[in-house]
Amino acid sequence: LAKTTQPISMDSYEGQEVNITCSHNNIATNDYITWYQQFPSQGPRFIIQGYKTKVTNEVASLFIPADRKSSTLSLPRVSLSDTAVYYCLVGDWSNDYKLSFGAGTTVTVRA
Amino acid sequence: DADVTQTPRNRITKTGKRIMLECSQTKGHDRMYWYRQDPGLGLRLIYYSFDVKDINKGEISDGYSVSRQAQAKFSLSLESAIPNQTALYFCATSDPTRESGQHFGDGTRLSIL
Repeated sequence: LAKTTQPISMDSYEGQEVNITCSHNNIATNDYITWYQQFPSQGPRFIIQGYKTKVTNEVASLFIPADRKSSTLSLPRVSLSDTAVYYCLVGDWSNDYKLSFGAGTTVTVRA
Repeated sequence: DADVTQTPRNRITKTGKRIMLECSQTKGHDRMYWYRQDPGLGLRLIYYSFDVKDINKGEISDGYSVSRQAQAKFSLSLESAIPNQTALYFCATSDPTRESGQHFGDGTRLSIL
């Protein structure tokens, strides 16, 4: 399994863009990169998934360089409600039971 | 209505008691999971099931058992609860053929005194 490394915490202010980088040097050919968001007292929620280049949805963008050894989750114009823990997972989704949620990145958005 | 429902949401009990946490889903997914989350840590997989007849141990299955009563129902039991099983427990489902990841319930907060 590809090991992931992401910052423990990040602080931001309302209206700013937040970029969280996840390192996954030993990513395998069949692996996808997936990000989840978790609010206090709730289960994690799928945000975005990608394989290469750039993926964008209504919540976030995911940037993946050509070597795929890292990825960056971008949250545009954050609000207080974006304060949460964000998890980066790397793996083959046909074997999603093998995926590991690490400690994640705690993002705190301040007014 | 929630797609993945866990009951109870909170439970306080005593050491040595048998406890069952229940999970039901309306997503029609075959795969179901039980995770445990401790403060400041990520989620650790306890058990997972690919269908009613396929149940597998995860990373931390000791002290736990599960039952898949139907495609939609997956329960977790603590046969004889101990204080270090105090944690937040999550149930999840998935359809690995779709790019939607795992779908989680809102968790059961379990305290064992």
